Amino acid sequence: KQEVTQIPAALSVPEGENLVLNCSFTDSAIYNLQWFRQDPGKGLTSLLLIQSSQREQTSGRLNASLDKSSGRSTLYIAASQPGDSATYLCAVWNTGNQFYFGTGTSLTVIP
Amino acid sequence: EPEVTQTPSHQVTQMGQEVILRCVPISNHLYFYWYRQILGQKVEFLVSFYNNEISEKSEIFDDQFSVERPDGSNFTLKIRSTKLEDSAMYFCASSEGGAGESYEQYFGPGTRLTVT
Repeated sequence: KQEVTQIPAALSVPEGENLVLNCSFTDSAIYNLQWFRQDPGKGLTSLLLIQSSQREQTSGRLNASLDKSSGRSTLYIAASQPGDSATYLCAVWNTGNQFYFGTGTSLTVIP
Repeated sequence: EPEVTQTPSHQVTQMGQEVILRCVPISNHLYFYWYRQILGQKVEFLVSFYNNEISEKSEIFDDQFSVERPDGSNFTLKIRSTKLEDSAMYFCASSEGGAGESYEQYFGPGTRLTVT
């Protein structure tokens, strides 16, 4: 069964810093990997989707990379802002046709 | 921008009662999903639905659960006889295409189910 882990579980940084969130998965037979943000008590907002054949995707200040063979993805956030404070989740869609979520990284950006 | 909507936002029910959670997916989407998140735990996949039938389900989605698309817009999750451990946030999601086509899933705001 696919296991998705995110490190660190929590991260606190001063505004303006660049930061990296990590996601690892045990089964490399995936269709894609998607990064989400979740605000307290709210739904999930899709940030980026990387297909299994891709190495990276960029959207604004966000850059996500994927190394399928080693079972790793990173989400890079440039010039962090207080509005970036949220929980960040990665999720992989397995070729077994189920979507597995990671444990999440809770990010706090201090003004 | 189109969005997935869910009703109600919060449902309180007594153990043993039936509940129906409702979702309106994005209108041109063809694939629909339900997930749940128990407080403090991971988001867990329950079921995916395409072409009016279940295409995939997890071990969690047992005989107590059922899904339906009763009309052209709603997608529902029914829990027949709720248990205390069904208390969770339930998320609906939809996508234009399936996993192999690598379409993003768009999530609704969730329904918080509390079983007392």
